[in-house]
Amino acid sequence: SQTIHQWPATLVQPVGSPLSLECTVEGTSNPNLYWYRQAAGRGLQLLFYSVGIGQISSEVPQNLSASRPQDRQFILSSKKLLLSDSGFYLCAWSVGGIGNTEAFFGQGTRLTVV
Amino acid sequence: GENVEQHPSTLSVQEGDSAVIKCTYSDSASNYFPWYKQELGKGPQLIIDIRSNVGEKKDQRIAVTLNKTAKHFSLHITETQPEDSAVYFCAARDDKIIFGKGTRLHILP
Repeated sequence: SQTIHQWPATLVQPVGSPLSLECTVEGTSNPNLYWYRQAAGRGLQLLFYSVGIGQISSEVPQNLSASRPQDRQFILSSKKLLLSDSGFYLCAWSVGGIGNTEAFFGQGTRLTVV
Repeated sequence: GENVEQHPSTLSVQEGDSAVIKCTYSDSASNYFPWYKQELGKGPQLIIDIRSNVGEKKDQRIAVTLNKTAKHFSLHITETQPEDSAVYFCAARDDKIIFGKGTRLHILP
């Protein structure tokens, strides 16, 4: 069966520090991968999605970047965190290609920038 | 790109009553409409979905309807129970999955 792992679960970082959040998927090949952010009491904002290794689409201009160095690995990064980067970050995967299938979410990383 | 609007943002219903959450989408190419339930501090979990060739789908106390012409879809929860309290998200998918802003559902005892 397929599983998605996201870590760490909680992170407190000072303003100006770098960020690296990692997500890996097991049990499937060539998935679509997604990073979402959820601000407190708000909806799920799509940040990045990827249909393959090295293929990243950015949905909103921001202080963050994403990379997909391997088929089932998706990394969210920042060189210098801002206070506004605080939030709940969720990684998700879905079956590759344009299709009518659901997304499966990781358990999320709660990032607090202080 | 796709834009999904969801209403209401907060909904309180008495236990045992029904709850309805409504969504609209903008991209007629979207062909898949999932609904997710999110409990505090956790990732969203799929509860029901509907595809564009279907008008209605039901799973026990949960049902979803889709009107492709009007680009509307709705979630219906009947006989609500305390454990239904959570945040619910609708979404629409063509190539990527775009979510509504969520509805916080409170079930009142």
